[in-house]
Order: sequence, then C-alpha cells, then structure tokens
Amino acid sequence: DIVMTQSPLSLPVTPGEPASMSCRSSKSLLDSNGHNYLDWYLQRPGQSPQLVIFLGSHRASGVPDRFSGSGSVTNFTLEISKVEADDVGIYYCMQGLQTPHTFGGGTKVEIK
Amino acid sequence: EVILVESGGGLAKPGGSLRLSCEASGFNFNNAWMTWVRQAPGKGLEWVGRIKSKTDGGTTDYGRAVEGRFTISSDESKSSVYLQMNDLKIDDTGIYYCTTDDCTDVSCHDHWGQGALVAVSS
Repeated sequence: DIVMTQSPLSLPVTPGEPASMSCRSSKSLLDSNGHNYLDWYLQRPGQSPQLVIFLGSHRASGVPDRFSGSGSVTNFTLEISKVEADDVGIYYCMQGLQTPHTFGGGTKVEIK
Repeated sequence: EVILVESGGGLAKPGGSLRLSCEASGFNFNNAWMTWVRQAPGKGLEWVGRIKSKTDGGTTDYGRAVEGRFTISSDESKSSVYLQMNDLKIDDTGIYYCTTDDCTDVSCHDHWGQGALVAVSS
C-alpha cells in the first residue's frame, strides 16, 4: 500500500497569516495522464470531512481561493494564504492513485 | 441537494456482525461510485472500501484491515449502499462515513453522510 506522511502534526496559526503543510507519498502519484492523484480534506471539529483540493492543485467546489495545492510525484503542499478562524481543524491528504486509497495521519491547524 | 444518511450502527461483540446502510438522494445513484471511510475514536481517517457503479462494473475494493471480513454492496432500486461487517474486532470501533463525489478533471464536489457509530466490545 502507498504510505502517506504528513507534517507537521500540529500547526498553530495566527489569523491573517499564511500557513503551509506538507504531504509525502511512498510512491509517485503522477499518473500517465499527467494528473497527480492527491486530495486534501479538512475535518472541522465534530463534522464530517470535506474535500478542499483534488488532483493535487484544483480547488473543490465552494472552497475559497485562499486555499492552494501544489506539488507533484511524491511531494505535495497545501497552503492557506491568510488563515481565518473557520479554517481550524485537521487536514488530511489522501492518495487516489491505487486501491486501497490511503490517508496521511493529518495536520491539526489551530489558532494561536 | 445531495443527502447521504447512514444507519445500522450500534454495539457488537468481537466476532459478531453488523450491517450499515447508506441511503442516498439528490443525485443519479446509478452512476455513482460509493465509498466507506471510518475513523476510530481520536484517530485519523481510514479508507474502508469502495463500490463502483453498476455501469462501471460494480466491482469492489477494500482496505487491508477489512479485506475478507467486510463486504460492500448496493441496491440501485433503493439508492442505497451497504457495508456488511463480519468477524468484528475491537479495532473496528469508530464512526463510519458514506461518501461519494461528482468530479471531472476541473471540478469536484464531494458529499458525506453524518456517520454511523460502531462500537465493538465484549
């Protein structure tokens, strides 16, 4: 199975400041079609997860443009340009290249 | 509006069985791939398995921890997907989410249920 590793575990942020987190995969997620099969999810406290970024860099429907995803092959980054209070929660990356799909351990974003 | 409603959770003993249901509405279930994701108490997300739409073959895939014990099926007439869980283990305790998405290369919208709680304890 593909192993997903996220860092940091915890990310204290100041509202209005940028935030960045990393996700690495044990195998290339770049398919022959040119797509990176890497998604980012946010799980707010007490809620179901929701998709933030798909195919490495595309924002999901309704996601504010302060969120951006980048990276390719095995190294990926999720950035928030200016953190808002509503952004707190745990961010998970997930590979969708091969089954079983696998999640990273998560990065917990909290307000300082 | 897309709605996914899980049911069937509860308490089971190790070695026992439970069947979760996920009833879907607000989209064309016949074309949807349905996925189950679970979360142990205080832990991260774990991909349980997926069933493709009948039009795409209706095949299933499972996570390593549940392969051979869990079975995913669907009933298009009821717009429902099921998770049959056999030989339950204590580590199967958690919230089980039903999820699907509607994605192209340039747009994607995912949908999740509220989750069903499964507790495995002697």
